Amino acid sequence: EAGVAQSPRYKIIEKRQSVAFWCNPISGHATLYWYQQILGQGPKLLIQFQNNGVVDDSQLPKDRFSAERLKGVDSTLKIQPAKLEDSAVYLCASSLEGLRTQYFGPGTRLLVL
Amino acid sequence: SQQGEEDPQALSIQEGENATMNCSYKTSINNLQWYRQNSGRGLVHLILIRSNEREKHSGRLRVTLDTSKKSSSLLITASRAADTASYFCATDAGGGADGLTFGKGTHLIIQP
Repeated sequence: EAGVAQSPRYKIIEKRQSVAFWCNPISGHATLYWYQQILGQGPKLLIQFQNNGVVDDSQLPKDRFSAERLKGVDSTLKIQPAKLEDSAVYLCASSLEGLRTQYFGPGTRLLVL
Repeated sequence: SQQGEEDPQALSIQEGENATMNCSYKTSINNLQWYRQNSGRGLVHLILIRSNEREKHSGRLRVTLDTSKKSSSLLITASRAADTASYFCATDAGGGADGLTFGKGTHLIIQP
């Protein structure tokens, strides 16, 4: 079974630029999550989708971050404009509806200069 | 905000010894999970314990949960070099919004 796919794996941008990350969850997983992991800390939930609807985006900095999950499969997370403190690994995870175990992708490592 | 706090922050033991990590959390939970993260395999689910369970085993892993103290422990027996990784506890509050709240993690090093 293929795992959660993410791209790109690495991205370096300058502050105030925009960036987008892509995630393809495990086939059949209705729930998709985006997490931000700053160096030395645990992941922090940014947004949760159930199919193509948003379940929880309470910790998403909506002035600069946006996410969508068109057609209830792939998802894109965008940052515009980026700040230095956005340097982190962005993790995508998915789970089967009704089950709590989450399966994580390899992450996208973002460096903002 | 971080829900859980793992203790210790770092742990170094000899191969073959047992490793114990602790996690404390602040609010009521539905489930508590432990995840492992290393550079090779990313973040991987290890074990889930429900709020009405007190102990659970999976291979060399043993997890306990004390909801009255809002704490959990993860025991890895007969440690191996491949167990070198960061270990995180993560909680969810239940309901439809089941995104996980992670602690800061324990970095475990197994010395050969």
